[in-house]
Amino acid sequence: KAGVTQTPRYLIKTRGQQVTLSCSPISGHRSVSWYQQTPGQGLQFLFEYFSETQRNKGNFPGRFSGRQFSNSRSEMNVSTLELGDSALYLCASRSGQVGELFFGEGSRLTVL
Amino acid sequence: SQQGEEDPQALSIQEGENATMNCSYKTSINNLQWYRQNSGRGLVHLILIRSNEREKHSGRLRVTLDTSKKSSSLLITASRAADTASYFCATDTTGNQFYFGTGTSLTVIP
Repeated sequence: KAGVTQTPRYLIKTRGQQVTLSCSPISGHRSVSWYQQTPGQGLQFLFEYFSETQRNKGNFPGRFSGRQFSNSRSEMNVSTLELGDSALYLCASRSGQVGELFFGEGSRLTVL
Repeated sequence: SQQGEEDPQALSIQEGENATMNCSYKTSINNLQWYRQNSGRGLVHLILIRSNEREKHSGRLRVTLDTSKKSSSLLITASRAADTASYFCATDTTGNQFYFGTGTSLTVIP
């Protein structure tokens, strides 16, 4: 069974640009959540999608958005990038509403 | 704001020794989970303990949960160099939201 796949693994952008990150969950998993990890703040919850509906949202500005498709694949978008958006963005999936999270390897975003 | 706080932030031990990490949280939970992260990689699930459980074992891992104190501990026995990683507790709250702590960085010296 394939694990959670995140693309791209690494990317470099400049301030003001936008970025789209992709996440393919484990087959059969309907819940996908996104986290931002930085050295100073640890893992911060961004949002969670379940069956194409955003179920929860963390305390991030509106520049951060996401969506989930009918095949459970998810994308997150960050517009008008700021230097502080440099982070490891982690996607996680799980089969239902409880249980363990399965993480991808992350997308490392550097904003110059 | 983050739900979980791990203690200590960093821990360095000799191979063969035991490592204990603690986690405190703030609100009601369905369960508490521990994850491990090797540098710059994704997190890997280690163990889940439900709110009505007090202790759980998995191999060299032992987890305790005290809901009255809103705290949990992770014990790794007979540590190995390969256990070097960051360890995070995560609380699965009744609102279907996970909160992760800031993590404990464990270094096991061969």
